[in-house]
Parts: sequence; C-alpha cells; structure tokens
Amino acid sequence: GQSLEQPSEVTAVEGAIVQINCTYQTSGFYGLSWYQQHDGGAPTFLSYNALDGLEETGRFSSFLSRSDSYGYLLLQELQMKDSASYFCAYTSGTYKYIFGTGTRLKVLA
Amino acid sequence: GAGVSQSPSNKVTEKGKDVELRCDPISGHTALYWYRQRLGQGLEFLIYFQGNSAPDKSGLPSDRFSAERTGESVSTLTIQRTQQEDSAVYLCASSLKVREGTQYFGPGTRLTVL
Repeated sequence: GQSLEQPSEVTAVEGAIVQINCTYQTSGFYGLSWYQQHDGGAPTFLSYNALDGLEETGRFSSFLSRSDSYGYLLLQELQMKDSASYFCAYTSGTYKYIFGTGTRLKVLA
Repeated sequence: GAGVSQSPSNKVTEKGKDVELRCDPISGHTALYWYRQRLGQGLEFLIYFQGNSAPDKSGLPSDRFSAERTGESVSTLTIQRTQQEDSAVYLCASSLKVREGTQYFGPGTRLTVL
C-alpha cells in the first residue's frame, strides 16, 4: 500500500530545535516534500528531497534516507509563527502526491 | 497570474444540488492537482491533470465527482447530487510539470452541504 506516518503533535519552546519525522511505505518513489499549513490557510511548500541527504533552506532543513524510507524536517530557532501543521508528501510512480496526516507543532513562549 | 486562484472561496449548498468549483493555476504550469481536506485532517488526493488529460482519476470518491481542464489552464471540479459528507475544503495546486517537488496551492473553496 501507500502511506506516510508522522507524529500527530509536537510541542517545543521558542528558540528551540524540533525534528518532525516521516516514514513512508510505497512502491515507486520520486521524492519527499514538506509543506506548512497554518489554521485556515493553504499549504505552502517548504522543502523537497529527491536524493538522500540534507537540504537546507534558512531555518528549515529536510533529510531523506531512501534505504530506510524515512525523512525528517528540522526547524531551528523556533518562532511563535512556526506554530502550524506540517505535512510530508511523496510523489508516487503514477505522479500523484500522497500526503501524510500532518503534525501539529505548538511553539510555546 | 501571481498565484493559484480558486472560486468561490465559500459555497453553501443544499443536499442534492450540483456544485462547480473553479481553479486558475499559475500561468505555464502544466500539472494541476485537486485535493480534499476535511476539518483537522490531511490532504486527500482526488485527481491530477497533465496538460488537459487526467491520467489518474483514482482518488475521485465516487462517480458524482468529475473534473475537467481546458486550454491547459482553468480546471473545474464538479460534484453532482451533493451529500453532507462532501463538506470540506477543496484545494487546487499547480506545478511546472508532474513529478515536481514543489506544488503551489490556491486558497481553497470551503464547501458546506446542508
């Protein structure tokens, strides 16, 4: 089958570092993306990994290990505005995107 | 255009009525995707277009749902004989081509079926 697993909720304090994990199960895999969605808003793209390793974009980094079917999103120097839901998604062999159920991040002052 | 736009932003309809949701992708983006998001849940893939063709319709929940795209731009998602379980936010996204890691989402259409 095709599925992604993420923790449902993560809590951290302002200024901290948080890691959101994503494991997936699929046949035909082209890459793992990460999206942020604030309540009532549309998802916005954060990062994409097509190859193993770390991709860094400002305070956000994403990692992929294809052999382990695992990836994570790393958020550094957390800010209150980072409180949102974070989704991992992969591109399948049929080109459709499969999204995880999302991780709600709460940043505490 | 500057981004993906969708209309209407909100739609309230009565059970059994048909509704049409519209998506205007970013100009030049050949791939277009429709998703459904129920309150507090993740995104459920419905259908995608590569140009004007829809190679994968497997996500459409029932035969009451259909979608089309014309001129490699505007797409409409039609829900016939709406049911209360159709209530959700319907999101459209576009990307330069299929298999792109980046999708650009529209603001969504919030559908409420009474």
